[in-house]
Amino acid sequence: DTGVSQNPRHKITKRGQNVTFRCDPISEHNRLYWYRQTLGQGPEFLTYFQNEAQLEKSRLLSDRFSAERPKGSFSTLEIQRTEQGDSAMYLCASSTTSGGGKHNEQFFGPGTRLTVL
Amino acid sequence: AQKVTQAQTEISVVEKEDVTLDCVYETRDTTYYLFWYKQPPSGELVFLIRRNSFDEQNEISGRYSWNFQKSTSSFNFTITASQVVDSAVYFCALSEANTNAGKSTFGDGTTLTVKP
Repeated sequence: DTGVSQNPRHKITKRGQNVTFRCDPISEHNRLYWYRQTLGQGPEFLTYFQNEAQLEKSRLLSDRFSAERPKGSFSTLEIQRTEQGDSAMYLCASSTTSGGGKHNEQFFGPGTRLTVL
Repeated sequence: AQKVTQAQTEISVVEKEDVTLDCVYETRDTTYYLFWYKQPPSGELVFLIRRNSFDEQNEISGRYSWNFQKSTSSFNFTITASQVVDSAVYFCALSEANTNAGKSTFGDGTTLTVKP
């Protein structure tokens, strides 16, 4: 088990419902990122954790979005009261700061595709 | 603010042709990092290369090569003798060193189709 995993891979929900996604990073990676990707665009940064601390959030992350990484391992991203505009691929990535590097390459999971009807 | 532009939305080539994917970036930082990722049809982004701003040496890895030119703020990616398996969306990304986040700003990608 060497990669980043995400669950579920697909989620279809009705507008107004809450959804939660999970990301399991590479085990020795202390940094974890959430991105959102819509069709024809590159990933957009949402938030990131260093260990269990959430250190930065994008303006894209409205108050309906919340992310946690309670023990510095896996992370969850919850969207409350989903809207059709939330439909996207949600990507998780992890990286290590070993060697003092804060800009090491990120390893991405397969993503969770959310469809809000 | 940082920005990455990949002007080529789609490129189609025939197998064995060489192809160059363009990437132009904007940043106010003097220290930054550039990346290329590949996103095959399966969807998972795969890291290809990282380059820091103070290392302008070009790099070659098998059929892949990267040309970093600070003077034109470009970091272009060339695939030599393309193969069908190279078909994917390729993203260029930038990370500024003045932030501790290491978060990346991505371009909108170039879809490469290699036909047999």
